[in-house]
Amino acid sequence: AQSVTQPDIHITVSEGASLELRCNYSYGATPYLFWYVQSPGQGLQLLLKYFSGDTLVQGIKGFEAEFKRSQSSFNLRKPSVHWSDAAEYFCASYNYNQGGKLIFGQGTELSVKP
Amino acid sequence: DTEVTQTPKHLVMGMTNKKSLKCEQHMGHRAMYWYKQKAKKPPELMFVYSYEKLSINESVPSRFSPECPNSSLLNLHLHALQPEDSALYLCASSQVRQLTTEAFFGQGTRLTVV
Repeated sequence: AQSVTQPDIHITVSEGASLELRCNYSYGATPYLFWYVQSPGQGLQLLLKYFSGDTLVQGIKGFEAEFKRSQSSFNLRKPSVHWSDAAEYFCASYNYNQGGKLIFGQGTELSVKP
Repeated sequence: DTEVTQTPKHLVMGMTNKKSLKCEQHMGHRAMYWYKQKAKKPPELMFVYSYEKLSINESVPSRFSPECPNSSLLNLHLHALQPEDSALYLCASSQVRQLTTEAFFGQGTRLTVV
């Protein structure tokens, strides 16, 4: 079955440090992949998406993600983290077998130290 | 206007009450969604409307009753809820041809059932 795994439940980084959040997917063909961010008590905001083409995807707020088929990964990166980046991050995949449904990973909570 | 507006932001209701959650968008999207999200968990899809018709019901209990009166509005009618139904309820919308892939989320309604 199609699935999305985020191995890290919680990550803490210092402000100004680089960030990488991991995401692994399981699907035979090329998946549609997304990263969403959610601040406490808020809705989800789409950071970036990958459908096909260039495997390095640029998103909003200085985020980027790289699709690596060989590793079944779609990791999210940011070169320099700001305190306002503290939030919950969800990786998601479009479910081909159930049109209209996103499969979410369990989320990674990011804390930022001053 | 790229907003999905949800009202109310917070709702406390007793188990015998009847209440409704409202969602509105003016982006011309013809697909609208209800998600339920418990704390520290990813959103779970409840319902999908496409062209004002219910297209997906994720086996949601009948105490939750969705309604899509027109292309801009989505309601979720609540009746005889249980304390375990307390959660953040998120509405989202998208173009139908980009089902869930370009979904815009509202800020959510924080529901507490007492």
